[in-house]
Order: sequence, then structure tokens, then C-alpha cells
Amino acid sequence: RKEVEQDPGPFNVPEGATVAFNCTYSNSASQSFFWYRQDCRKEPKLLMSVYSSGNEDGRFTAQLNRASQYISLLIRDSKLSDSATYLCVVLSYSNYQLIWGAGTKLIIKP
Amino acid sequence: DTGVSQDPRHKITKRGQNVTFRCDPISEHNRLYWYRQTLGQGPEFLTYFQNEAQLEKSRLLSDRFSAERPKGSFSTLEIQRTEQGDSAMYLCASSHEGGYTQYFGPGTRLTVL
Repeated sequence: RKEVEQDPGPFNVPEGATVAFNCTYSNSASQSFFWYRQDCRKEPKLLMSVYSSGNEDGRFTAQLNRASQYISLLIRDSKLSDSATYLCVVLSYSNYQLIWGAGTKLIIKP
Repeated sequence: DTGVSQDPRHKITKRGQNVTFRCDPISEHNRLYWYRQTLGQGPEFLTYFQNEAQLEKSRLLSDRFSAERPKGSFSTLEIQRTEQGDSAMYLCASSHEGGYTQYFGPGTRLTVL
């Protein structure tokens, strides 16, 4: 089993819709969580950190469920420019390394 | 531009040749990371430096791979006797010590023929 698992998609979503992704992690020692965005053939860029109480940044909302060991990303009012791969990243405090999911591909259609 | 830079951006080589990539981190960052990413996968950790010290290496880093950061600034990743399986995007990232946000360079795309 992979340490961080994501549905690879693609998620095909009409512009303006709301879309949500989940990501599960296996190491209960994980303490910090992030969502990165990666455009085709480009480097990953930090989208947002995920805080225990959940957090929002504009149209993006991240949630953490420690009991079930998953994090989620919700995108409201999706834009064409949101089309990308969204990578779930978990920091393990046991070795301070970032463990990456394989990413969920999102395609926003006009 | 004060972000992370990598050189070259693309490298095509024949199997068996040696290649070397360079990464220049954000200047005030003392941690530097190397990752490898193949199509449809997330980045896989290879190694990281704190200043000039190489603190951890993944088991993915075979003896054909070596990384250096001699003065604690830029880093090089060398692959000797390249194999077709080495074809991937090699990403470099940097961060502050104690900071968990990593900033990535544009990557070096390696193709081994």
C-alpha cells in the first residue's frame, strides 16, 4: 500500500461547478499536510497547507480528518485555469520527509 | 528572478553516458532537495542537504547517482552510466531550515536513448 494515495482521475468538471478530492495517508505519525498544484510539464507549486481545523483560501477549502487519516480539497466556482494535477503531500515527523501522492488530474471544461 | 533555477532544462543522452545537472536554490535557503518524477507519479525523494552536509539519501539513489553541495549553495546531481530507466524529470527544491514549504525549480527533463 502506498503511503499517500489519491484517485488519479481525471475529473472532468464543467466551469463553475464545485469539485472535491480526497487523499488518504497511512502513517499516523504524519503531522503536516499540503496540497500542491502541478501544471503539465511544470514544477509543483504550493497551493495551500492543511490545518487541523480546516482552512480556506478564496475558492479553495482544505480539510483534515485525523481519525480517518484523510485530507480533502474543495474547489468552488471552478475556473478553466484550475485545470491541473493536484498533489497531496504529507510530512512525516519521523524523518521530516515529504511523501507525495501521485496526483489527481482535474480538467475544467467550458 | 530569485527562485530556484536548474540547468539544463532538457538533456538527451545515450545509454551509458554520464550526465550532470545543476541546481541553484533560493539564496537564503539552507536546505536543498533532489526529487525524481516520472509520468503519472508524484515526485520521489532522492536526497537532501542542509548547507553542505548530505543528510539523507533514498534507497532509490543507486551507486550510479551522486550529489554534492560543496559550498552549501548550488548543488549538482550526477548520473553515471545512464540507463533508459533513468529517463525522468529531475526536480530540485529548497527551503529554510525548519520550514516545511519547499520551492521547486523548473526541473531537468532527462531522456536516455
